[in-house]
Amino acid sequence: GAVVSQHPSRVICKSGTSVKIECRSLDFQATTMFWYRQFPKQSLMLMATSNEGSKATYEQGVEKDKFLINHASLTLSTLTVASAHPEDSSFYICSAYTGMGELFFGEGSRLTVL
Amino acid sequence: GDSVTQMEGPVTLSEEAFLTINCTYTATGYPSLFWYVQYPGEGLQLLLKATKADDKGSNKGFEATYRKETTSFHLEKGSVQVSDSAVYFCALSDQGGGNKLTFGTGTQLKVEL
Repeated sequence: GAVVSQHPSRVICKSGTSVKIECRSLDFQATTMFWYRQFPKQSLMLMATSNEGSKATYEQGVEKDKFLINHASLTLSTLTVASAHPEDSSFYICSAYTGMGELFFGEGSRLTVL
Repeated sequence: GDSVTQMEGPVTLSEEAFLTINCTYTATGYPSLFWYVQYPGEGLQLLLKATKADDKGSNKGFEATYRKETTSFHLEKGSVQVSDSAVYFCALSDQGGGNKLTFGTGTQLKVEL
């Protein structure tokens, strides 16, 4: 079946650095990709909706200058956490929509900011 | 806005026990309802779904019925196995296409021999 891959699965960085997380749809073209953030023992919170070739749509309360999303092709979306700080430490999950009613999730990326 | 409330975990059961994970929702209109499962080290996978009232979704022995009168979508399985140990997420979509989801907090299930 369709697969969505996230990379890296784990990343540790120093405070103030920027971190890029990739989300790839491996065997289908994703018209839309979604980025979620998951805190421990909490639900997945939608951060933004990413459509290929256009600007991402951010949910209320999500800083677009902090969480930069680029969807340059139908198989790749990237989330860049700019100038990361410890409070940005979290589990980030992407999902990709096939456009035919199916949604597939990546394995998630755990970010730890020291 | 839309919201999903799940029973808190972790839930620990013995193999072959009956499983119920409660899920209730709040939404405008007529949402589609989903259960996703996340096995250790893997991404979320769709387990089952229901798109209208009284629909029953089923897969791998799991079932859930869309109850509009009680705004619920409880997950059940008659006899759990160790391999069912995972985190289960209830979710809804108010756009029908299942592409933008509101999730519950997830319920961790641990099945022991």
